[in-house]
Amino acid sequence: ETGVTQSPTHLIKTRGQQVTLRCSSQSGHNTVSWYQQALGQGPQFIFQYYREEENGRGNFPPRFSGLQFPNYSSELNVNALELDDSALYLCASSLVIRTGSSYEQYFGPGTRLTVT
Amino acid sequence: AQTVTQSQPEMSVQEAETVTLSCTYDTSESDYYLFWYKQPPSRQMILVIRQEAYKQQNATENRFSVNFQKAAKSFSLKISDSQLGDAAMYFCAYRSASGNTPLVFGKGTRLSVIA
Repeated sequence: ETGVTQSPTHLIKTRGQQVTLRCSSQSGHNTVSWYQQALGQGPQFIFQYYREEENGRGNFPPRFSGLQFPNYSSELNVNALELDDSALYLCASSLVIRTGSSYEQYFGPGTRLTVT
Repeated sequence: AQTVTQSQPEMSVQEAETVTLSCTYDTSESDYYLFWYKQPPSRQMILVIRQEAYKQQNATENRFSVNFQKAAKSFSLKISDSQLGDAAMYFCAYRSASGNTPLVFGKGTRLSVIA
């Protein structure tokens, strides 16, 4: 069984640019959650995708958007980058069964985004 | 909204000794899950241990065990026989048991292991 993978590992962008981060979920998982982890902080929930639809969102502005594909991989897009967007972006996948119950979230290694 | 508090920004322990990391949380729910995650310098968040709130018995995983006090809303992690590889950031996290809800994390505790 393959684990959660993320790409790229790190990247540097300029304020005002747009960025796309990618995540491949663990085999058999149907839900992907994205978290932002600022330096020295715990991860903060951005949003979650279940079966290609967003089904939960944290306190992040609309310039943070995402997609989930039929193979359950996912993208996180951030428009109009700001300096405060510099952080580690973590993707986590999990299996959600029909009743809504879910199992543990398994995390990828993250993408380190630096905005200059 | 649920909150998770880790009051110890940094801890250190001698190799082979025991250390306890503290975590408190606030919730009005009765059914939920609590987790400890380890984040080494490689950045990958690794699940250490999980506790279901409806279970009175404390979870254990090899050298890792928890002290879950539901009434006090406390969830501490005990690491026995500490090893150099245990050095990492440790995050306490909460998740509601109702539906497909996200994890709520504390700010973390940095654990150093001294040889």
